Amino acid sequence: NAGVTQTPKFQVLKTGQSMTLQCAQDMNHNSMYWYRQDPGMGLRLIYYSASEGTTDKGEVPNGYNVSRLNKREFSLRLESAAPSQTSVYFCASRTSWGQGASGNTIYFGEGSWLTVV
Amino acid sequence: AQSVTQLGSHVSVSEGALVLLRCNYSSSVPPYLFWYVQYPNQGLQLLLKYTTGATLVKGINGFEAEFKKSETSFHLTKPSAHMSDAAEYFCAVTPSKNNDMRFGAGTRLTVKP
Repeated sequence: NAGVTQTPKFQVLKTGQSMTLQCAQDMNHNSMYWYRQDPGMGLRLIYYSASEGTTDKGEVPNGYNVSRLNKREFSLRLESAAPSQTSVYFCASRTSWGQGASGNTIYFGEGSWLTVV
Repeated sequence: AQSVTQLGSHVSVSEGALVLLRCNYSSSVPPYLFWYVQYPNQGLQLLLKYTTGATLVKGINGFEAEFKKSETSFHLTKPSAHMSDAAEYFCAVTPSKNNDMRFGAGTRLTVKP
């Protein structure tokens, strides 16, 4: 069971270049998320998708676009990378609402380290 | 919108001592609250969560947290720290049946021998 898989794990970009971070989950979850993690700032929500075909902005959406390609996949695109987007990016998915042990639990990928020079 | 404040970006305890990591939240509707742990170069793992019901929640690795509505707090505790507990801990909040989950800035726990 792979869980949440994100690629690439490491990437160096030049300012102005574009790239897409890919994310896929095999747990049949409806909700998927993209977060960025920066020292001293914790995880900040970039975008999320409550279900296939819908996306919503989080705290820090500027400079990013997302696509919920299907129920499994949720990609994050940087159209014109800037040094301020150097960060660790985490994709996550969440179980449906419920009070059981597995209800409403977020599962994270292992992270993508992005450096923009 | 909901938010989370974690008091103390770094906490250091001796092995065997009490661990207390503080979390306060704001939410306009009843919240669901979570604690996650992150080990170096890894993603986040769920420690415990509060949804409804019992306000004292027990999680993995001997951690527990108590939801106190009057104090808008959800502090994480462990009676006796182990070296393996050294990690970064994140508190998170989401309004009931809402898809927007927000995290605190994190608290790095160091355990001294």
